[in-house]
Amino acid sequence: TQLLEQSPQFLSIQEGENLTVYCNSSSVFSSLQWYRQEPGEGPVLLVTVVTGGEVKKLKRLTFQFGDARKDSSLHITAAQPGDTGLYLCAGAGTGGFKTIFGAGTRLFVKA
Amino acid sequence: DTAVSQTPKYLVTQMGNDKSIKCEQNLGHDTMYWYKQDSKKFLKIMFSYNNKELIINETVPNRFSPKSPDKAHLNLHINSLELGDSAVYFCASSQGPRGGTDTQYFGPGTRLTVL
Repeated sequence: TQLLEQSPQFLSIQEGENLTVYCNSSSVFSSLQWYRQEPGEGPVLLVTVVTGGEVKKLKRLTFQFGDARKDSSLHITAAQPGDTGLYLCAGAGTGGFKTIFGAGTRLFVKA
Repeated sequence: DTAVSQTPKYLVTQMGNDKSIKCEQNLGHDTMYWYKQDSKKFLKIMFSYNNKELIINETVPNRFSPKSPDKAHLNLHINSLELGDSAVYFCASSQGPRGGTDTQYFGPGTRLTVL
């Protein structure tokens, strides 16, 4: 069974601080995605990484896919209150048809 | 211009009742999904349809029956509701069938509470 574990589960930081969220598995994934979900809404895709070692940047967010394609990280520089939300990593299950989600990291950025 | 819409937004009902949740997407996508998000925010795939054909059917009780009348609609009917069915149900769509690599667009969710 393919599982994705996210850490930390909860993170509360001050505006301006940096943070890293991790997504780990013992299984190899053909791709990993990161979503952000705000209260009362559905998840919104932030990025998809498909190549081992790949790094993608989205403004202050940096995503990395592990060389062995078993893990990924999301780094946020100078966090802002607008970054508050639930961050979910998701991997393509065998065949790519099924999406397996991690349990999420709940981020709260205080002004 | 809602891309993926669900109705109702909230659903409160008694145990044993039958209820339906409707989903529509106006993105022209070929694939639609139903997910269940429990109280711990864990999101799990239930079903997916590609061009009205069922392609993913996870281990879900038979009380849950999806129906796709056309590519733009995927409804979820639940019979004999149980307390454990209480959750937020999300509909999503993507252009291709590979949800793990394609971009999925999620609806706003339906919060189901079974009393």
